[in-house]
Amino acid sequence: SQQGEEDPQALSIQEGENATMNCSYKTSINNLQWYRQNSGRGLVHLILIRSNEREKHSGRLRVTLDTSKKSSSLLITASRAADTASYFCATEGTGFQKLVFGTGTRLLVSP
Amino acid sequence: GAGVSQSPSNKVTEKGKDVELRCDPISGHTALYWYRQSLGQGLEFLIYFQGNSAPDKSGLPSDRFSAERTGGSVSTLTIQRTQQEDSAVYLCASSLSGSGYGYTFGSGTRLTVV
Repeated sequence: SQQGEEDPQALSIQEGENATMNCSYKTSINNLQWYRQNSGRGLVHLILIRSNEREKHSGRLRVTLDTSKKSSSLLITASRAADTASYFCATEGTGFQKLVFGTGTRLLVSP
Repeated sequence: GAGVSQSPSNKVTEKGKDVELRCDPISGHTALYWYRQSLGQGLEFLIYFQGNSAPDKSGLPSDRFSAERTGGSVSTLTIQRTQQEDSAVYLCASSLSGSGYGYTFGSGTRLTVV
């Protein structure tokens, strides 16, 4: 079974707007990670946030983590057409050395 | 190598045949993972290798699936007597260690069983 669930399933925005994707999970975690997938092939690691962290930034990406609510959000600021992809959250549960992936959010950024 | 390499990139096979999928991880990465992804779906965990430890096979869907990792490097995923429901993209990933690191994924093998 998949632990993470992303919301929304699909998101369509204009270039320059911000995109926010949310992820909820069910059990205690060591860390939560976000990945991007283009064209249904290999995933690219974007950012990792540990369970004792609340917020992390990387370029135009901002990730927050609320362990009390078992949720995370990914914010992409000033989006570009090249950001069009599917975005997945993945959790590493405590005592489990493998990632469990959510079902993903499909982001479409129109020029 | 510079990245995770998977071969073949595409495979079409007849129902009932056996297939082998190969994964060459990043040199020095001790952890190797296999996932599969059906069309429009999330990733389903299959198997995990970490160093010389016994692999975590908890995600393998049936005894038709098996995997090995030779010399702590290259891994082969074997599917025997393929079925149409095995059609998916099979993704391999490696990481520096088994916990607390991001994964580097290969481009995947698209398997189509006809």
